[in-house]
Amino acid sequence: GDSVTQMEGPVTLSEEAFLTINCTYTATGYPSLFWYVQYPGEGLQLLLKATKADDKGSNKGFEATYRKETTSFHLEKGSVQVSDSAVYFCALPGYSGAGSYQLTFGKGTKLSVIP
Amino acid sequence: GAVVSQHPSWVICKSGTSVKIECRSLDFQATTMFWYRQFPKQSLMLMATSNEGSKATYEQGVEKDKFLINHASLTLSTLTVTSAHPEDSSFYICSANPSGTYNEQFFGPGTRLTVL
Repeated sequence: GDSVTQMEGPVTLSEEAFLTINCTYTATGYPSLFWYVQYPGEGLQLLLKATKADDKGSNKGFEATYRKETTSFHLEKGSVQVSDSAVYFCALPGYSGAGSYQLTFGKGTKLSVIP
Repeated sequence: GAVVSQHPSWVICKSGTSVKIECRSLDFQATTMFWYRQFPKQSLMLMATSNEGSKATYEQGVEKDKFLINHASLTLSTLTVTSAHPEDSSFYICSANPSGTYNEQFFGPGTRLTVL
């Protein structure tokens, strides 16, 4: 079945440091790929997505490129801010039958950015 | 657009009582909604898939008689935790899949349940 393997945290960085959170997946075919972010005490928000191989998703300074050859979708940001402190989830959708699509999530990576 | 609300945001109840959590899609219709439980170490567990007008599909290990799901309209799904116990204390998150689309899920802000 589909699976997502995500770099385990927690990750602690100083402000303006470079961030990489690794994500690899196994899936049938070429699904879309997502990064979700969860700020403290809140639900999940879609951060960025890519719908096909070599697509680059980007938002709020974050980027991730869909690499078919390495089945990866690593999240990067060149200069993190304290406000980026959150939990980040890599996810991919899969058809679960009866017309519905479930998301398979990685375990989440907690990022803490210190001033 | 694509806003999902949950109510209540947090609830404290006594052991043995039942608690209902609502999930609403505010500006779109959702044939399918999902209920997740988030554990302290942040991992998300899919509990069930809720389809409007039909029975929910529960994931393995989730007690359907304990976690009752009703999806009576295209904008509302409810999760009722029956006879709650302290081990049911958790953060419950719903998401909604807009009708006519796939892949997209929009998440509610979550409900913190504490059972005393």
